[in-house]
Amino acid sequence: NAGVTQTPKFQVLKTGQSMTLQCAQDMNHEYMSWYRQDPGMGLRLIHYSVGAGITDQGEVPNGYNVSRSTTEDFPLRLLSAAPSQTSVYFCASSYSDSLYFGPGTRLTVT
Amino acid sequence: GENVEQHPSTLSVQEGDSAVIKCTYSDSASNYFPWYKQELGKRPQLIIDIRSNVGEKKDQRIAVTLNKTAKHFSLHITETQPEDSAVYFCAAKWGGGTSYGKLTFGQGTILTVHP
Repeated sequence: NAGVTQTPKFQVLKTGQSMTLQCAQDMNHEYMSWYRQDPGMGLRLIHYSVGAGITDQGEVPNGYNVSRSTTEDFPLRLLSAAPSQTSVYFCASSYSDSLYFGPGTRLTVT
Repeated sequence: GENVEQHPSTLSVQEGDSAVIKCTYSDSASNYFPWYKQELGKRPQLIIDIRSNVGEKKDQRIAVTLNKTAKHFSLHITETQPEDSAVYFCAAKWGGGTSYGKLTFGQGTILTVHP
């Protein structure tokens, strides 16, 4: 099993550009989530899904969209990138309380 | 929502000493409290967790204690080794119940173990 995979590993965007961060898991986990990690602030929940077709907002959802059309995939879309979205993004999956994180995407918005 | 405060932000110990990291949470409905270890440039990895119906849990050199009345929980690492050096995060589950995967994290503690 590959576990949780994320692409790309690194990305540089200009302000106003849009992009999609990809996340996939092959563990048949129902629950998937996106977190962002900023220095001194821990990890903060952006969006969350309890299964295909069902998503919900986390602590910091503004500027991000998600959809969950399959159990395996949970992409995160940045609609119009802003410098405040410079961060490391982690996708995670779970079948219960324990989270399994992907390797992360380091995003820089200039 | 849930709020988690973690202290200290940095902790430096000598090899063989013990290390203790403390977290407080605000939502009395929270019922799951994990601890994650993150090495530089890597993903966070679960090292131990505790549920609200348990006061203490141990796994070799690592232990976690929970005080529900005071709403705080702590990570204890004994006989520290240089490879324990990392950033440690505590977390609490949002809203209790079956809200799987929804965690609020503390700010992190940078632990350095000197040989």
